[in-house]
Formats: sequence, C-alpha cells, structure tokens
Amino acid sequence: DTGVSQDPRHKITKRGQNVTFRCDPISEHNRLYWYRQTLGQGPEFLTYFQNEAQLEKSRLLSDRFSAERPKGSFSTLEIQRTEQGDSAMYLCASSFLDSNEKLFFGSGTQLSVL
Amino acid sequence: DAKTTQPNSMESNEEEPVHLPCNHSTISGTDYIHWYRQLPSQGPEYVIHGLTSNVNNRMASLAIAEDRKSSTLILHRATLRDAAVYYCILTPPSNNNDMRFGAGTRLTVKP
Repeated sequence: DTGVSQDPRHKITKRGQNVTFRCDPISEHNRLYWYRQTLGQGPEFLTYFQNEAQLEKSRLLSDRFSAERPKGSFSTLEIQRTEQGDSAMYLCASSFLDSNEKLFFGSGTQLSVL
Repeated sequence: DAKTTQPNSMESNEEEPVHLPCNHSTISGTDYIHWYRQLPSQGPEYVIHGLTSNVNNRMASLAIAEDRKSSTLILHRATLRDAAVYYCILTPPSNNNDMRFGAGTRLTVKP
C-alpha cells in the first residue's frame, strides 16, 4: 500500500487553459475527497465521492470545476478556463466509510496560473 | 457546522511538553473531536480523535473538557519534527470523516 497518490505534483499553466489532476486513493477506500489550500490557510473542502457517486459539492466549486470518479477508483479534477485565483494546492484524501475512520491525504498538486 | 477556535501560533522548546488548545463551545453532544497536523510541503495527517474520554496514542494525548466545550492536544516531548500546523476539527456523527479545516495553530519548536 503506497498511500494516496496525486499527479502531477506541480502544474504551471497560462490563464485560460484547462488543467486536469489525478488522484489514486488507497485501494480499499470507498470515500474520496478533494480540498483546495491557499498559502496560510487550512484546506477548504471542495467535493467528495462515495464509490462513484459524487455526494456533495462545495459552493467553492464553480461551473469551471468538474470532478469524476469513474468505477469508484481513481478520481480526476478538471479546471476549465483557469484564472489566477485558481492558483492553490489541490489535495486529495481517501477513507473507508466507517465510524471514526481517519482521512489519508496525498501530497497534493500545486497549481500556478500565470 | 460547529466551529473551533485555535491560537494562530505557539512556540515550544525541544523535548518539552506542548499543550495545544482548541475551543468548541457550540459542539453538539455527538460531534467527534479530531486533530490533524500538516508538516511543510505535505498533506495533513491524522493525529488523534475522541468523543468524551481522554485518549492516548503513540503520537499524542487528547484531553477533553468535561463539558466538551474545549480540548487540548498534548505532545509529551516535542521534537523538531513536530513543527507543523495543527488543526482541531469537529465532525457530525452522521459523517465522521467529513473534515472541514480551519486555519489551525502553527507550532514552532526551538532547539
């Protein structure tokens, strides 16, 4: 078990471009979360999946953001028409749905929009 | 959602105990109290959690006030590797791994 894996670790893009991030959770985990973190702030919840179903989306997740988790395994987060304000660390976490089960986080994808 | 209040920053000397406070005066009777920490350039990692009773594990201890309106994370002997941002989070019983993070406490450990 290698933990939660995120790819890429860093992404630099120009304003207006589309970007896609990938998260591979721990294999037996059925819940997967996406968070966004800006400098000096705690992670902000974006959305989560239980298996392949997207159960909740934050108001932070504008129409330019879309997340998928086909087949309940890996997940992708796409940002269309990126803006400078999208620059942040995007964190993925997974857990097994059970009482008190803890979240395991990846190391994140650092996005810089120029 | 019940909110938590933590000091922005704290300092400690290496090999001394550290007590990190968290106020959660609006906690409901069934909310769990979780602590995570985030080392530089890494995602958060689980530290400890509890409901009513004090809890101990190999990383830390969690002391929960009798009225549950506050809690304290105790690192028994701080090391340089414990320098991190520590987050205190409440979760509802219906969704115990639905973590909503605040700004946390930045702990600096001095050699």
